[in-house]
Amino acid sequence: KAGVTQTPRYLIKTRGQQVTLSCSPISGHRSVSWYQQTPGQGLQFLFEYFSETQRNKGNFPGRFSGRQFSNSRSEMNVSTLELGDSALYLCASSLEAGLPYEQYFGPGTRLTVT
Amino acid sequence: GQQLNQSPQSMFIQEGEDVSMNCTSSSIFNTWLWYKQEPGEGPVLLIALYKAGELTSNGRLTAQFGITRKDSFLNISASIPSDVGIYFCAGYNNNDMRFGAGTRLTVKP
Repeated sequence: KAGVTQTPRYLIKTRGQQVTLSCSPISGHRSVSWYQQTPGQGLQFLFEYFSETQRNKGNFPGRFSGRQFSNSRSEMNVSTLELGDSALYLCASSLEAGLPYEQYFGPGTRLTVT
Repeated sequence: GQQLNQSPQSMFIQEGEDVSMNCTSSSIFNTWLWYKQEPGEGPVLLIALYKAGELTSNGRLTAQFGITRKDSFLNISASIPSDVGIYFCAGYNNNDMRFGAGTRLTVKP
């Protein structure tokens, strides 16, 4: 079956703009988690959605938000972009919530903020 | 939040050699995970550990959950060129997931 897909794969934005990233989980998976990966901070958990509800949230400012739709697809939004938001944004899906050892990651969206 | 301390940062080894890397934390975790990430891809789970002292293998990979629950180790035996990539550890406890900075492995044929 198809893996986790993320769109777009690459994105260039300007400071102050906003951006929306999309994630389609593996068919049947109901939990979607988002992570930020940077050379300096490494992988950091952003938030997890399950059944259209945010179940868990990492330590990121309110500019980072997300949502999940009834078909389990998820979007992540970053408003008022800053240079430090340049990163690889990874989405991971699992059948149920709270099961990091059963997560499958997508290839990521590479966001560059200029 | 504080991430995990993973070492070494990078390794350059000859094909056929064994590799060891480790991860330590000041906090206790109930689950330790090891991932591999290749260029242009997301991390792929290699091994999951659920109990202190547990030793688990996946082919040439062996990982251990430290007795103190604050550390974990990954060993790769008889390395091959396709082992190249970045290996990450992760600790999970009560909805809190932290990652190591990764060990970049280069294998020379």
